[in-house]
Amino acid sequence: GQQVMQIPQYQHVQEGEDFTTYCNSSTTLSNIQWYKQRPGGHPVFLIQLVKSGEVKKQKRLTFQFGEAKKNSSLHITATQTTDVGTYFCATGIDQGGKLIFGQGTELSVKP
Amino acid sequence: ETGVTQTPRHLVMGMTNKKSLKCEQHLGHNAMYWYKQSAKKPLELMFVYNFKEQTENNSVPSRFSPECPNSSHLFLHLHTLQPEDSALYLCASSRQGTTEAFFGQGTRLTVV
Repeated sequence: GQQVMQIPQYQHVQEGEDFTTYCNSSTTLSNIQWYKQRPGGHPVFLIQLVKSGEVKKQKRLTFQFGEAKKNSSLHITATQTTDVGTYFCATGIDQGGKLIFGQGTELSVKP
Repeated sequence: ETGVTQTPRHLVMGMTNKKSLKCEQHLGHNAMYWYKQSAKKPLELMFVYNFKEQTENNSVPSRFSPECPNSSHLFLHLHTLQPEDSALYLCASSRQGTTEAFFGQGTRLTVV
């Protein structure tokens, strides 16, 4: 079935450094979603991208959807300790009406 | 508060026990999901219900049995589980199968 591969699995940064996680698929995606899961918490929706080449920003977070709609990235500028958590990409599959998640990138931020 | 409520939050059960997990949403969503999240592992999709009909069973062992009596409620019935089934079980709902999902806080299950 359709899968999304996410890298890196872990990222440790110093507070103030930037962070990027990547999501890739071998097939064209109809949409990509990003979620954040804080330690001990549940995934929380951040954003959805549907258009080729789409870029959206939320404060220090920048989300991109590739031109071929096969990859996406989440970039955080000047990380803060509140950014700690696992970031997941996910894609909605029309057949079966389901959401498939990537493996997640666990971000730790050293103050 | 996401609008999706899961009970219980924690559950410890023996391998011969039968228990049920409950999920409830009053967001008017038409799709509901069960995911399993093990330590250091991604979210594994287990079951999908669209308009109360099961549209996905992701090769889940029969010791897990889902039930969706109406569009607001989803259950996961558990029986004769194994220790490796210990995990966080997350319920989610969305307006339709491919849109933004709202997750419950999960049930932390320990099988002893």
